[in-house]
Amino acid sequence: DSGVTQTPKHLITATGQRVTLRCSPRSGDLSVYWYQQSLDQGLQFLIQYYNGEERAKGNILERFSAQQFPDLHSELNLSSLELGDSALYFCASSVSGSTKNIQYFGAGTRLSVL
Amino acid sequence: GESVGLHLPTLSVQEGDNSIINCAYSNSASDYFIWYKQESGKGPQFIIDIRSNMDKRQGQRVTVLLNKTVKHLSLQIAATQPGDSAVYFCAENRGYSTLTFGKGTMLLVSP
Repeated sequence: DSGVTQTPKHLITATGQRVTLRCSPRSGDLSVYWYQQSLDQGLQFLIQYYNGEERAKGNILERFSAQQFPDLHSELNLSSLELGDSALYFCASSVSGSTKNIQYFGAGTRLSVL
Repeated sequence: GESVGLHLPTLSVQEGDNSIINCAYSNSASDYFIWYKQESGKGPQFIIDIRSNMDKRQGQRVTVLLNKTVKHLSLQIAATQPGDSAVYFCAENRGYSTLTFGKGTMLLVSP
């Protein structure tokens, strides 16, 4: 167990809908990262938050947004969902804002858009 | 573009053999590398990391070798066990950028 908690484990929804994925980092970790994993794209970095502030942005669509709350948990919001958004979404956390720290991953949320 | 890639998509070994998983990186400015293991239905699990000021680092049954001259990284697993069967990813980091992951290599261990 990595100590990173993601909910829900599975999510099935329809095109055009909006969903929220939740992540609780390991105790003491200040950075949260979101990744998308699909069969053809591998692990793609979406966004990083550090202590409540956005630190880095990757290949995140405008339909997607995230935030990190004062208690350091994070949410990833996906809206106007399309079939191609079906994927595994992982959250990772690390102790500081530096990307040269080990990132510990949660078990992921499997999103299926029908 | 700049990327991290793997030479072999699938590696099949017998239990007890040593396994070597390779990774090529294209950016000579990369200064931090991590190997992750991902079992089916689970998130990536940290195995070992190495910084560019090192050539070799050892963990429990695993060794990572870094050859900066040819921009090559390898993960060696000693006495491979069925429980080692998984997809292995290398990831690189340079400067203040985030981790870039390779596509992964599947390791299959036969009893």
